[in-house]
Amino acid sequence: QQQVKQSPQSLIVQKGGISIINCAYENTAFDYFPWYQQFPGKGPALLIAIRPDVSEKKEGRFTISFNKSAKQFSLHIMDSQPGDSATYFCAAAGYSTLTFGKGTMLLVSP
Amino acid sequence: NAGVTQTPKFRVLKTGQSMTLLCAQDMNHEYMYWYRQDPGMGLRLIHYSVGEGTTAKGEVPDGYNVSRLKKQNFLLGLESAAPSQTSVYFCASSYSIRAGGAFFGQGTRLTVV
Repeated sequence: QQQVKQSPQSLIVQKGGISIINCAYENTAFDYFPWYQQFPGKGPALLIAIRPDVSEKKEGRFTISFNKSAKQFSLHIMDSQPGDSATYFCAAAGYSTLTFGKGTMLLVSP
Repeated sequence: NAGVTQTPKFRVLKTGQSMTLLCAQDMNHEYMYWYRQDPGMGLRLIHYSVGEGTTAKGEVPDGYNVSRLKKQNFLLGLESAAPSQTSVYFCASSYSIRAGGAFFGQGTRLTVV
């Protein structure tokens, strides 16, 4: 059973455009939802995170939107830049572990 | 401050051989994790530890063993490597998975032939 579903698998956005990645979760015990960014050959790095008592969190060009009733959350990257090209993972934390989505490979074309 | 360090970075094993992957963290974190990353599969949890001397199974534990004898180290062992264990392995540590998330190492690329 896949507890965190992520879409799309890949995404191509033009420079300056908005990148949107969506995730959905099953387990209502999850109570912390981070997003990770991974560049080729590197380990994932925490990008931004949100708790379910908040509907939106913004850090610079990155925004998480959270819909608790629908059990969905999404990452929006405003004014996307070629340097944002990477793989993005959503995740959900509960108890002692972190469960990841399958990832979205983002390519921002110049 | 090195963060999370994984050793080795690359390794090629023959089927049936054994090896140990070492993870070391210098952030005094209680929680440590081993994940494997395969194309299109995301990061899947193999084993984890909530403190020195403790270990627990994750989503895909078969064929792996772990030990946490010291707080700063978390070892992942493969007793008899199989081609299905070809993957990139990531170690992570956290002071609170439900607050600050996890810090990842640079990964170990393992190929079993």
